[in-house]
Amino acid sequence: GESVGLHLPTLSVQEGDNSIINCAYSNSASDYFIWYKQESGKGPQFIIDIRSNMDKRQGQRVTVLLNKTVKHLSLQIAATQPGDSAVYFCAENNGHSGGGADGLTFGKGTHLIIQP
Amino acid sequence: GAGVSQSPSNKVTEKGKDVELRCDPISGHTALYWYRQRLGQGLEFLIYFQGNSAPDKSGLPSDRFSAERTGESVSTLTIQRTQQEDSAVYLCASSRTGGDQPQHFGDGTRLSIL
Repeated sequence: GESVGLHLPTLSVQEGDNSIINCAYSNSASDYFIWYKQESGKGPQFIIDIRSNMDKRQGQRVTVLLNKTVKHLSLQIAATQPGDSAVYFCAENNGHSGGGADGLTFGKGTHLIIQP
Repeated sequence: GAGVSQSPSNKVTEKGKDVELRCDPISGHTALYWYRQRLGQGLEFLIYFQGNSAPDKSGLPSDRFSAERTGESVSTLTIQRTQQEDSAVYLCASSRTGGDQPQHFGDGTRLSIL
C-alpha cells in the first residue's frame, strides 16, 4: 500500500551542527506535505509545510525540500539546539490515501538526539 | 490563543468497558480529525469531520469505534467493549478548513486497557 516512511529511526548530531531528516513517500499523487515535531508526552507540533508546486520552503531555522522526481522530502534544521531533541514525522495529504479525504498519512518518525 | 484541548489526559479501564474521549478544537476551525498512535509508531488516521458534512469514517478500525461532533465544536470518540489492542494515545487535531491546511494537535488521551 501507499505510505510515507523515514530513512533512519534515530539521528544523533552535535549541538550547533545542522541536521537533515529524510522522508520517502510512495504516492505520486500526494500534493501537500507537513513536518511535525513531537516531544515526549505531547501531541505533534506543526513545523513547516510545503505544497507540491514548490520545491523549497524556509522557516525560522528550518528548511523543507521536496523532490517530486524521486518522491523525497527532507527537513533541514540549522544550528541544532538541545530543544530540538524530539521525534520528527513527515506526513502527506493526497486525499486518496488510507488517511481519508483530508486525513494525513504519517511516517514512523525519526528520533533526533542532540549531543552536547 | 487556546489550542486543541483533549480530556481526559489519561484513562485506565478494564477490558470490555466503554470509554469516551473528548476533544475541543481551536475556535473557528471547521475541520476536526481523530488519530491513534501506538507506542513508538506514527499516527493512524481514524475519522474526519468537516463542517456539517457527513464524516469520513474510513480509518475507523472496527464498528466498536464511533465519533460524533456537534456543529463545529466539541467532538467525542467512543470505543465500546474495549480490548487490550485499543491501548494507545488518541490524538485530536483541527484545521481552519479541510484540505491543504496545517492540522494542529492536542496532547492526546493516553488510553490503557487492563
